[in-house]
Amino acid sequence: DAGVIQSPRHEVTEMGQEVTLRCKPISGHDYLFWYRQTMMRGLELLIYFNNNVPIDDSGMPEDRFSAKMPNASFSTLKIQPSEPRDSAVYFCASSSHRGFSYNEQFFGPGTRLTVL
Amino acid sequence: KQEVTQIPAALSVPEGENLVLNCSFTDSAIYNLQWFRQDPGKGLTSLLLIQSSQREQTSGRLNASLDKSSGRSTLYIAASQPGDSATYLCAVTGGSQGNLIFGKGTKLSVKP
Repeated sequence: DAGVIQSPRHEVTEMGQEVTLRCKPISGHDYLFWYRQTMMRGLELLIYFNNNVPIDDSGMPEDRFSAKMPNASFSTLKIQPSEPRDSAVYFCASSSHRGFSYNEQFFGPGTRLTVL
Repeated sequence: KQEVTQIPAALSVPEGENLVLNCSFTDSAIYNLQWFRQDPGKGLTSLLLIQSSQREQTSGRLNASLDKSSGRSTLYIAASQPGDSATYLCAVTGGSQGNLIFGKGTKLSVKP
């Protein structure tokens, strides 16, 4: 299994531009999570999906952030317009509620976003 | 609101030492607890998952324990090696399908 795949790995953009981060969860996993990591606040949940349906988006900081999961193998996190304070590492994770690794979350390598 | 604390924030030990990393959480009503390792500039690697009904889990030189009633978990690393140098993160899940709430981590340095 390839694990959770994220793209791009690095993104540098200018303030005001639209940014789209992508995630492919582990095949067969029914939960997908988006986290953000900063030095000041550590790792925080932004939103998570169950069977492609958003369950809790209370961590999404502002209306500038949106996330979609059109199918079981793909999710996007979009920031429009981006601001310098959005600079962080964004992680995608997935988990399954079946089998030996019940509810264990597996993380992707992250996307390091820099907004100038 | 659940809060997770990890002490110490940083730890430096000589190679070969056995060591313990601590994690505490304020709300004992957790579903499970997960320990991760994060190398600089990298993602998180899951080390051990302890379900709320379990007391401990072991993987190789790692042993994690869980005491829900006192809101504590420990990660024991035996015979530490320089390759163990990384940041170790503890996280708890409040519900069966909920998100992980993370501590700030313990940065471990194992000196050869």
